[in-house]
Amino acid sequence: KNEVEQSPQNLTAQEGEFITINCSYSVGISALHWLQQHPGGGIVSLFMLSSGKKKHGRLIATINIQEKHSSLHITASHPRDSAVYICAVRSYNTDKLIFGTGTRLQVFP
Amino acid sequence: DTEVTQTPKHLVMGMTNKKSLKCEQHMGHRAMYWYKQKAKKPPELMFVYSYEKLSINESVPSRFSPECPNSSLLNLHLHALQPEDSALYLCASSQPRQAYEQYFGPGTRLTVT
Repeated sequence: KNEVEQSPQNLTAQEGEFITINCSYSVGISALHWLQQHPGGGIVSLFMLSSGKKKHGRLIATINIQEKHSSLHITASHPRDSAVYICAVRSYNTDKLIFGTGTRLQVFP
Repeated sequence: DTEVTQTPKHLVMGMTNKKSLKCEQHMGHRAMYWYKQKAKKPPELMFVYSYEKLSINESVPSRFSPECPNSSLLNLHLHALQPEDSALYLCASSQPRQAYEQYFGPGTRLTVT
């Protein structure tokens, strides 16, 4: 079993739909990252969380430390949101990120 | 400046060639990372430099040789690579051992022929 699990693996949506991507982890962490990667492209950091909730534009990320679970929400989805979304955790006293396998999102007009 | 730059963008090399990948950041970060990413897979950590010293080597074959000449630069020297080493090579930087964001570069797409 991976230390970081994401669901779903693949997700399709119509433009305007509300989208949720989930991440569960099994290790103690100092922070959780949500990353975005467009096809063939580099990785963009969307959020870094250690507690609570963060919002940036149409994106919202939440984390429940007790339940070892985080969600990434996209409101009013748009075709340009089509990308792979990766959850990654940094465990205590380490420079390493442990990555989930990613969620491939396609938003159709 | 929140940018990590990588050169070249694309690289094609033969199995007997020697080449280098370069990464640069000017955010004052003291941790820098090399990742390898195959298609449709998450990045795999290769090396971490912390305060210009190699702190993590994830059992990477010696045909990959990292170098951190100063706090802003990170190189990855390549020699005698195999076709299975073809991948996207990503560099990242952050502050070490703290819950800070990692900033990723755009990557170098490497093809070994």
